Amino acid sequence: GAVVSQHPSRVICKSGTSVKIECRSLDFQATTMFWYRQFPKQSLMLMATSNEGSKATYEQGVEKDKFLINHASLTLSTLTVTSAHPEDSSFYICSARGGDTEYTEAFFGQGTRLTVV
Amino acid sequence: GDSVTQMEGPVTLSEEAFLTINCTYTATGYPSLFWYVQYPGEGLQLLLKATKADDKGSNKGFEATYRKETTSFHLEKGSVQVSDSAVYFCALGQWNNDMRFGAGTRLTVKP
Repeated sequence: GAVVSQHPSRVICKSGTSVKIECRSLDFQATTMFWYRQFPKQSLMLMATSNEGSKATYEQGVEKDKFLINHASLTLSTLTVTSAHPEDSSFYICSARGGDTEYTEAFFGQGTRLTVV
Repeated sequence: GDSVTQMEGPVTLSEEAFLTINCTYTATGYPSLFWYVQYPGEGLQLLLKATKADDKGSNKGFEATYRKETTSFHLEKGSVQVSDSAVYFCALGQWNNDMRFGAGTRLTVKP
């Protein structure tokens, strides 16, 4: 299957700083990328959907100014957690779907464990 | 809107036991159905999928059949192993829309 690479896998940052998480599709063009947040022992919560070259669509309750999403190319999307606080500590997962494949499944990155201290 | 309802866990089985994790869905049109597996500390991996009614997805001994008449996609395995311990997510996808996930079912297999 297609490969989605997410980086970093783990990050620890100080409260008040910003953290950028990258999501890359390595062998296909991802017309749509999704960012999820997962709390311990819970399912994935969709945060936002981004289409290449356009603004991300955020789910209700997700702060746009806090979670900045950029999808500047067909192979890269970034999530920046701005002015991070301990409550932002979580597992963040990206996924990507391509526009030139007959399949409809999403391919997932490995996830990023963010810890804000 | 589209949604997925998944059997609540956790599920604890002995090695070589039979596994069933129930999944039902509500959707418009003709969605594709998926099972994803998440091992501790990792992202999600596609386990199997079915793209139309009556299709059977299978992988690593796991199977699920897309049943349109019962709107179900139950996951089964005849003989589980300790290495199958993970969280399993049922999901539904429409073309280029986001995936809708079930709540996840944590499976623990004991030797």
